[in-house]
Amino acid sequence: DAGVTQSPTHLIKTRGQQVTLRCSPKSGHDTVSWYQQALGQGPQFIFQYYEEEERQRGNFPDRFSGHQFPNYSSELNVNALLLGDSALYLCASSLARNSNQPQHFGDGTRLSIL
Amino acid sequence: AQSVAQPEDQVNVAEGNPLTVKCTYSVSGNPYLFWYVQYPNRGLQFLLKYITGDNLVKGSYGFEAEFNKSQTSFHLKKPSALVSDSALYFCAVRAHYGGATNKLIFGTGTLLAVQP
Repeated sequence: DAGVTQSPTHLIKTRGQQVTLRCSPKSGHDTVSWYQQALGQGPQFIFQYYEEEERQRGNFPDRFSGHQFPNYSSELNVNALLLGDSALYLCASSLARNSNQPQHFGDGTRLSIL
Repeated sequence: AQSVAQPEDQVNVAEGNPLTVKCTYSVSGNPYLFWYVQYPNRGLQFLLKYITGDNLVKGSYGFEAEFNKSQTSFHLKKPSALVSDSALYFCAVRAHYGGATNKLIFGTGTLLAVQP
């Protein structure tokens, strides 16, 4: 039973570039949430996707966008990268009809902006 | 506004001694509360949750947590610490509304250091 998988593991970009991060949810899950974890901080909610639509969004600018595919996998896109976007990006999956259950997290993508 | 506070950046404990990692929360309505652990260069691993029922919940690796509604606290505990318990611990809250959201609000984390 595969857990949440994220790719790539590490990524180095320069300011102004664009990046796409990918996530495959745990088998049987249909909802994907993305979080940003800056160094020394707790994860901050970016947005959540269910039924291929963005359902909820945290306090992040429009430079952050996403997508969910019919197989429930998801992408996080960040445009016009800033130095402050350097962080660990975590994907979490869950099952929408079972809100009592915890979200399952992947190991994240470490994004470094030079 | 929903929030979680973890007042201690770091907790130091000797192996074999009991440990407590503190968490307080603020949320409208009934809270769903979670503890996660993060090892270096890894994602978050679920430890335990409180949804409803018994105020003392038991989780993975011998951890437990006590929900206290009057003090809005959800402290993580373990009777006997292991060196392998050394990691970063996060408390999280999820508000439960009638069309429940899965958004988690995390604390800033507490680094647990267990000395041999």
